[in-house]
Amino acid sequence: AQSVTQLDSQVPVFEEAPVELRCNYSSSVSVYLFWYVQYPNQGLQLLLKYLSGSTLVKSINGFEAEFNKSQTSFHLRKPSVHISDTAEYFCAVSDVGFQKLVFGTGTRLLVSP
Amino acid sequence: KAGVTQTPRYLIKTRGQQVTLSCSPISGHRSVSWYQQTPGQGLQFLFEYFSETQRNKGNFPGRFSGRQFSNSRSEMNVSTLELGDSALYLCASSPTTGAPTGELFFGEGSRLTVL
Repeated sequence: AQSVTQLDSQVPVFEEAPVELRCNYSSSVSVYLFWYVQYPNQGLQLLLKYLSGSTLVKSINGFEAEFNKSQTSFHLRKPSVHISDTAEYFCAVSDVGFQKLVFGTGTRLLVSP
Repeated sequence: KAGVTQTPRYLIKTRGQQVTLSCSPISGHRSVSWYQQTPGQGLQFLFEYFSETQRNKGNFPGRFSGRQFSNSRSEMNVSTLELGDSALYLCASSPTTGAPTGELFFGEGSRLTVL
């Protein structure tokens, strides 16, 4: 069965500092990988996705993630965070061809001035 | 384009009652999925519907059921409510025109409190 591990439940960081949110997955088949973000009292929003092709994927607001098949990882990075990036971030995986996502437990990113 | 709309946003029920939650997907989206989010269990997949057929199902008891209508709107029902059913129920739609990609567009959720 698939599983997703987000080792850090909370990551505090100062504004303009770099950040990395870690994600490892377990699956024996080809997968799609996602990062979703959830702001307080809201649903989830897709931040970025890996479906195929280039292993480095980027979002419009400066986040990027790299698919590493050998290490079964999909870590999320941003070189310089803003206060507005404070939110909970979820890594998710789905088997290719299926519409069911398995989510990690989430990482709360806390950006302070 | 309007986003995924879920109603009601908040509701309070008592143990033993039943509840029906509604979801209107983004126009043109034919796949609708439901997830339960709790502090203890995180996000868990309930079921997915496509063209009025349940295509995938998670590991929830039979008290949890759903359906999809011909206009792609979906409802989920929970019967005989238990305290542990208190959660945020999230609906998501997907622009599935070919093979599923797992990309989901979420609504803001229906927060159910069971007393």
